[in-house]
Amino acid sequence: DSGVTQTPKHLITATGQRVTLRCSPRSGDLSVYWYQQSLDQGLQFLIHYYNGEERAKGNILERFSAQQFPDLHSELNLSSLELGDSALYFCASSVGMGQGPYNEQFFGPGTRLTVL
Amino acid sequence: GQNIDQPTEMTATEGAIVQINCTYQTSGFNGLFWYQQHAGEAPTFLSYNVLDGLEEKGRFSSFLSRSKGYSYLLLKELQMKDSASYLCAWLNSGNTPLVFGKGTRLSVIA
Repeated sequence: DSGVTQTPKHLITATGQRVTLRCSPRSGDLSVYWYQQSLDQGLQFLIHYYNGEERAKGNILERFSAQQFPDLHSELNLSSLELGDSALYFCASSVGMGQGPYNEQFFGPGTRLTVL
Repeated sequence: GQNIDQPTEMTATEGAIVQINCTYQTSGFNGLFWYQQHAGEAPTFLSYNVLDGLEEKGRFSSFLSRSKGYSYLLLKELQMKDSASYLCAWLNSGNTPLVFGKGTRLSVIA
């Protein structure tokens, strides 16, 4: 158990809908990262927050948005869902900004999103 | 680009040694991570290299050559439970976080 929690574990929805994925980092970790993992693409970085502020953006679609709240939990919002958005969505946390050996990322169990 | 390459699949025998290679972009390099990921589960941290040489951790070792943009993960005394994907991830010196390779799916057979 990494100490990172994600809800829900599974989500099944229809095209065009909107969903919210939730992540709580390990106690004391200030950074939260979101990743998308589909079968043929590997782990794709979406976005990184540090202590409530956005630090870096990866290949995140405009239909997707995220935020980190004052209690450090984070939410990833996915809207106008398409079939291709079906994937595992992982959240990870680290104590600092993710640089160096003492800032390795600890991953949550993931949310499996299925868009029908 | 931020290319990071590793073989897609490997098969090895229980009790044997296997080496999983990874090549990455050398400019702006600030470290190389290896993660293990069992199917449908979260990646878990294995090792971090920022200096040249070999880091040993029990049955797992990781090697780095910064000048060659090359790393490998060495797994000794393979066990069936080592069947998993092994992800190489490159850390940039800027604000961008880890860039993951697509992973090497290792199958350990009896």
